[in-house]
Amino acid sequence: AQSVAQPEDQVNVAEGNPLTVKCTYSVSGNPYLFWYVQYPNRGLQFLLKYITGDNLVKGSYGFEAEFNKSQTSFHLKKPSALVSDSALYFCAVMNTGFQKRVFGTGTRLLVSP
Amino acid sequence: DGGITQSPKYLFRKEGQNVTLSCEQNLNHDAMYWYRQDPGQGLRLIYYSQIVNDFQKGDIAEGYSVSREKKESFPLTVTSAQKNPTAFYLCASKMQSEGLGQPQHFGDGTRLSIL
Repeated sequence: AQSVAQPEDQVNVAEGNPLTVKCTYSVSGNPYLFWYVQYPNRGLQFLLKYITGDNLVKGSYGFEAEFNKSQTSFHLKKPSALVSDSALYFCAVMNTGFQKRVFGTGTRLLVSP
Repeated sequence: DGGITQSPKYLFRKEGQNVTLSCEQNLNHDAMYWYRQDPGQGLRLIYYSQIVNDFQKGDIAEGYSVSREKKESFPLTVTSAQKNPTAFYLCASKMQSEGLGQPQHFGDGTRLSIL
């Protein structure tokens, strides 16, 4: 079975500071990993994905994520947070043998001015 | 511009009533998905379809039905058997031929409430 955990319901950070949103996963075989962002009353927007290759993945809006196979983690990071980054962030995992992907429960990011 | 259109944005259901949520995409995507989003629970898969005239149950299909008569359209019916339908419903699509790693594209959702 596939599963993904986002251990923090909310992350608070001051504008200009680095941010990290955590994600750990459990899957048999090689994982496909994704990060999405959701603004209020909107759908999810794709940020970045890890399929294979370099463990550091760069995505939209200055976000990046680091795949760590030994720790089964895929944490989302940004060197300098913006107030406009405040939103709900979802991590998702898919086993290469399945068509379905499993989403985490989401982490709310609040960036204060 | 290509995208996914969900309608209506807000929908109210009376007791014992079936309601249908619309999802249309002009991205020429093969696969389409319906998710339910509840606070603190993330997204849960209701139904998905990889090709026209074929669909599979997801994790929480009871009380819901779908059809896939056209590639562009994947409507979701919330039946009276779904006793707790209040939620935010999201439709998504994906190109199948480009591999499993393609990201899903999402519509802006329909918020369903009980009258």
